[in-house]
Amino acid sequence: GDSVTQMEGPVTLSEEAFLTINCTYTATGYPSLFWYVQYPGEGLQLLLKATKADDKGSNKGFEATYRKETTSFHLEKGSVQVSDSAVYFCALSAGNSGSRLTFGEGTQLTVNP
Amino acid sequence: GAGVSQSPSNKVTEKGKDVELRCDPISGHTALYWYRQSLGQGLEFLIYFQGNSAPDKSGLPSDRFSAERTGGSVSTLTIQRTQQEDSAVYLCASSQLAGGVLIEQYFGPGTRLTVT
Repeated sequence: GDSVTQMEGPVTLSEEAFLTINCTYTATGYPSLFWYVQYPGEGLQLLLKATKADDKGSNKGFEATYRKETTSFHLEKGSVQVSDSAVYFCALSAGNSGSRLTFGEGTQLTVNP
Repeated sequence: GAGVSQSPSNKVTEKGKDVELRCDPISGHTALYWYRQSLGQGLEFLIYFQGNSAPDKSGLPSDRFSAERTGGSVSTLTIQRTQQEDSAVYLCASSQLAGGVLIEQYFGPGTRLTVT
């Protein structure tokens, strides 16, 4: 079946550090890929997405590139801020079952001033 | 406009009792999903509705769990004879599908269920 694997957390960084959160997937067919973010006390929000190979999703300084050859969708940000502290979820939608989402385990990011 | 809303936001119940969780999707969204977020299990898909029908119930963990949707809008997730392992945050999401392709799923704030 479909699955998503994220790097284990938690991740703690200083402000302005470079961020990478690794995500790899297994899926039949050609999935769409997503990063969702959950800020403390808030619901899940879509951060960015990519629907085909070599697409780059970007939002709020975050980027992720759909790499079909390595089945990866790593999240990166060049300079993190304290306000980026949240839990980040990688997810895929394989286009079946109404495009239900399969999520990774989530990575807790804490950014210290 | 209004987002996805869920009620109650918190629910504490005794083991063995039944609970109902409600989801109000974004108006006009035909697809509705229930997920569960729990420690050790992460975010799991439970059930998907397209309109009032549920083509995929494969994520429901046992026959104690059921869900319905009426009028192509509000959905209720019912858990009968609750067990402690049912404790989790239950998330609802809605989406507009175009030809079976996901546009985006919008999530509600969740209902935190605690079974004592």
